[in-house]
Amino acid sequence: NAGVMQNPRHLVRRRGQEARLRCSPMKGHSHVYWYRQLPEEGLKFMVYLQKENIIDESGMPKERFSAEFPKEGPSILRIQQVVRGDSAAYFCASSPPSRGGTGELFFGEGSRLTVL
Amino acid sequence: GENVEQHPSTLSVQEGDSAVIKCTYSDSASNYFPWYKQELGKGPQLIIDIRSNVGEKKDQRIAVTLNKTAKHFSLHITETQPEDSAVYFCAASIETSYDKVIFGPGTSLSVIP
Repeated sequence: NAGVMQNPRHLVRRRGQEARLRCSPMKGHSHVYWYRQLPEEGLKFMVYLQKENIIDESGMPKERFSAEFPKEGPSILRIQQVVRGDSAAYFCASSPPSRGGTGELFFGEGSRLTVL
Repeated sequence: GENVEQHPSTLSVQEGDSAVIKCTYSDSASNYFPWYKQELGKGPQLIIDIRSNVGEKKDQRIAVTLNKTAKHFSLHITETQPEDSAVYFCAASIETSYDKVIFGPGTSLSVIP
């Protein structure tokens, strides 16, 4: 049973380019979360999605960042016009459908974005 | 919203000694407190969790305690081994219709052989 798959593992972009990070949740999981980890810092919540719905995007920067989780295919975190401050590790996590909320998050190995 | 603080930020112990990491949270509605371990270059992995209806939970060399009144919770690792070296994150979650897990800033634990 494959875990959470993220790709690319490493991505280099020049300032002003676009970055697209993909996340395939574990089989049977319909909830996806994106976290950002800056060097030497903790995990900052960005967005929570279910299939075709954004449930909570309170951690997403207002501009240049967007996320989707279509009916078919992986979840995508998109960063437009990247700047050096976007350099970070972006982690995706998934969880099974659950009523009441709590439970384990299963993390992927992250996508490390470097902006030159 | 919820805010989780964690101390210390770095911790070095001799192999065989105990390690203690402490966290506080701000939202009294939080009722689920997981701990994650992140090894270098990997994603975080759940190692133990505790819910608000218990004060302590133990799993082999790892134990967690929770003081809801003080909004404190702690991770205790006994008989530390070099493979325990990693970054440890505490987290808090409010039981709603979804998991929004808020993480502390992390503790980098080094176990010296």
